[in-house]
Amino acid sequence: EVHLVESGGGLVQPGGSLRLSCSASGFIFSNYWMHWVRQAPGKGLVWVSRITGDGRSTKNADSVEGRFTVSRDNAKNTLYLEMNGLRVEDTAMYYCASDVGWGQGTLVTVSS
Amino acid sequence: QSALTQPASMSGSPGQSITISCTGTSSDVGAYDYVSWFQQHPGKAPKLLILDVSKRPSGVSDRFSGSKSGNTASLTISGLQTEDEADYYCASHSTSGACLFGGGTHLTVF
Repeated sequence: EVHLVESGGGLVQPGGSLRLSCSASGFIFSNYWMHWVRQAPGKGLVWVSRITGDGRSTKNADSVEGRFTVSRDNAKNTLYLEMNGLRVEDTAMYYCASDVGWGQGTLVTVSS
Repeated sequence: QSALTQPASMSGSPGQSITISCTGTSSDVGAYDYVSWFQQHPGKAPKLLILDVSKRPSGVSDRFSGSKSGNTASLTISGLQTEDEADYYCASHSTSGACLFGGGTHLTVF
């Protein structure tokens, strides 16, 4: 059974940093592109970032370009999202996602 | 990176069929057969219903089907059930390498 478990969310001040992790199991992790998707409270889904299975290619949404970095460790079956320069508008539930499933999300709150 | 266009809300009665549209451009929906559909119930994580325009993952009811014509993709739900009341989102890869989501459609089953 596919399991994706996010961690690392929390409360951070504007301008601060966080590193999200997503631990994967139940499928061949390195075979799949992985995505980060966020959802602000009461709002729709917004794509944030993606990385290819081998980790060689990444792409960010314009809204996070230059501030967020996606990476993966296929030996550890783990996906990461390094978030710097956080803004109030980055407040959201962050999900890791793939074609085989989604995690339950980790909440990031940016507030002073 | 503009969002794909979905109707904000739709409604139907149990047993009916409904079709939710997802309109993009020739740079996203029209460019590839990489359109996915997701269902999200309140307070829950999204669930993948359809990938690659029309493929259903294992365990997804065959009442859900997907199609595409030009720059518009569609999700059809047949034999509506009360548990189908949820938010539905489409997503597509784009030629820029980014991915896009639709704004979401809230489906009411009454």
